[in-house]
Amino acid sequence: QTVVTQEPSFSVSPGGTVTLTCGLTSGSVSTGYFPSWYQQTPGQAPRLVIYNTYTRSSGVPDRFSGSILGNKAALTITGAQAEDECDYYCVVYLGRDFNWVFGGGTKLTVL
Amino acid sequence: EVQLLESGGGLVQPGGSLRLSCAASGFTFSTHGLTWVRQAPGKGLEWVAWISGGDGSANHADSVKGRFTISRDISKNTLYLQMNSLRAEDTAEYYCAKVGWNMGRVFDSWGQGTQVTVSS
Repeated sequence: QTVVTQEPSFSVSPGGTVTLTCGLTSGSVSTGYFPSWYQQTPGQAPRLVIYNTYTRSSGVPDRFSGSILGNKAALTITGAQAEDECDYYCVVYLGRDFNWVFGGGTKLTVL
Repeated sequence: EVQLLESGGGLVQPGGSLRLSCAASGFTFSTHGLTWVRQAPGKGLEWVAWISGGDGSANHADSVKGRFTISRDISKNTLYLQMNSLRAEDTAEYYCAKVGWNMGRVFDSWGQGTQVTVSS
């Protein structure tokens, strides 16, 4: 069974840079997994941030960027703002039989 | 503007059934895939099921396979999730989402969710 890994929590100072990662317990995340990233604040539906590894969703500030770092997908926030404090989830598409798997999420604190 | 509105959630006893609906507008329903994602209280997101645009082929997560069935009514622009043999661990907020296949298999628009509670 495929498990997607994320850091459970991360802290960044206002104006700082943070990179969240999205990996697999077995294997590497590549662009062929179409990794995407979502923000979620308490009580709200998820909001798409990055899709297809690199592409920012409409209206997402350019301080957010997606990439592949080593064997993981990554979400980098350059110049973090207080409003970036929330949960971040990655999801990968497994392809076979049309399956998706979410990571466990990263709780980002801007402090 | 894409809009997705879930309904049908509620309190149900273990072993019971429930059917969730997701009314869609703002896009060509018949040609877009749709999915259900759930979130148990205090937990992360979990993909549940997907149905394709076009031929309506479907797949379900192993955790719900054989108990849940995703379907759609193109004439009503509505997505469904039939949930049978419900368990306490199915308690969650259930979201429907539109799949942007050509954007990279991405869940590009989400509804606000409907709460399902399985308890005696």
